[in-house]
Amino acid sequence: DAGVIQSPRHEVTEMGQEVTLRCKPISGHNSLFWYRQTMMRGLELLIYFNNNVPIDDSGMPEDRFSAKMPNASFSTLKIQPSEPRDSAVYFCASSLIPISPTGHRTYEQYFGPGTRLTVT
Amino acid sequence: AQSVTQLGSHVSVSEGALVLLRCNYSSSVPPYLFWYVQYPNQGLQLLLKYTSAATLVKGINGFEAEFKKSETSFHLTKPSAHMSDAAEYFCAVSAWYSSASKIIFGSGTRLSIRP
Repeated sequence: DAGVIQSPRHEVTEMGQEVTLRCKPISGHNSLFWYRQTMMRGLELLIYFNNNVPIDDSGMPEDRFSAKMPNASFSTLKIQPSEPRDSAVYFCASSLIPISPTGHRTYEQYFGPGTRLTVT
Repeated sequence: AQSVTQLGSHVSVSEGALVLLRCNYSSSVPPYLFWYVQYPNQGLQLLLKYTSAATLVKGINGFEAEFKKSETSFHLTKPSAHMSDAAEYFCAVSAWYSSASKIIFGSGTRLSIRP
């Protein structure tokens, strides 16, 4: 299994530019999570999808951030316009959660290698 | 609501010494708990997970964790530290939300190993 794939691995851009981060989850997984990691704030959940539908986007910092999951094998996180404070490592993770869960279950998440974003 | 608290943002031990990383949880339902490890410039990897089957959970690389309900703790241990154990470790709890599941991560503990 190739694991979760993220691209690019590194992105350097100037303030005001649009940035698009990409993620391919593990085949067969039905949930996808976007995280941001910084020294100051640690690991933050930005948004997660279940069966391609956004379930919780309360962690998205502001309207400059948007995420899509057009199909089960691809998701994007877009920042427009980018700002220096967006500099961070962005992780994508995927998980398999039954479609009709009967109760609280635990499902581990599998993380991609991350995209290191630097906005100058 | 579920949450975890990791005690100590940085722990330093000598090679060969006991590793103890502390985690306390808060949960309104029986918790499912995890430890993840992050090596430099990499994503998080699952070390072990507690799913109520056994209170002592063994993971990869010689790590284990014990679930103690009375203390609401899930501390991570390894009898003898190795240089390759230097990394950041995250304790996490599973939260059920609107028919889907997400994981709540602690703030992390950076483990350094002294030669």
